[in-house]
Amino acid sequence: DAGVTQSPTHLIKTRGQQVTLRCSPKSGHDTVSWYQQALGQGPQFIFQYYEEEERQRGNFPDRFSGHQFPNYSSELNVNALLLGDSALYLCASSSQGLRETQYFGPGTRLLVL
Amino acid sequence: AQSVTQLGSHVSVSEGALVLLRCNYSSSVPPYLFWYVQYPNQGLQLLLKYTSAATLVKGINGFEAEFKKSETSFHLTKPSAHMSDAAEYFCAVSSDNQGGKLIFGQGTELSVKP
Repeated sequence: DAGVTQSPTHLIKTRGQQVTLRCSPKSGHDTVSWYQQALGQGPQFIFQYYEEEERQRGNFPDRFSGHQFPNYSSELNVNALLLGDSALYLCASSSQGLRETQYFGPGTRLLVL
Repeated sequence: AQSVTQLGSHVSVSEGALVLLRCNYSSSVPPYLFWYVQYPNQGLQLLLKYTSAATLVKGINGFEAEFKKSETSFHLTKPSAHMSDAAEYFCAVSSDNQGGKLIFGQGTELSVKP
């Protein structure tokens, strides 16, 4: 049984560019949450998707957007990249019946130059 | 609003010694509490969780944590440290009205000396 998978593993972009990160949830899970983890800090909640809709959002600007597909996989899009967007982006999946228990993927490390 | 404070950004123990990582939380509603471990260049792995059942929670790799409401604490312990326990540990809080959103502490890096 595959756990949460994310792609790509690493990414280098320049300021002003746009990036798309991808996540496939654990089998049987229908909810996907995204977190940003800056170097030396704890993860910060970006948003959560369920039934292809954004259900919750953290304190992130509109440059951060997402999507969930009918197969529950999800994308995180970041526009107009800033140097400060450099971080590890973590995807977590859960099921609505047990929303509080989230399982994390390995993350995508984004470097903005 | 909910918050988590992890006391000590870095803890160092000798192999075989007791591991104690401290976590205090703030929540106006009954919390769910979690400990995650992160090895270098990896994602987060769930160690254990408290969701209002038994206050002493046992997790993987010999770790356990005790929920103490009066102290608003959820400290993580392991009786005997192993070299493979060296990693970053994160405490997190959530609740029913947060819909699964996790609030994390800043993390504690655990070093284990031979």
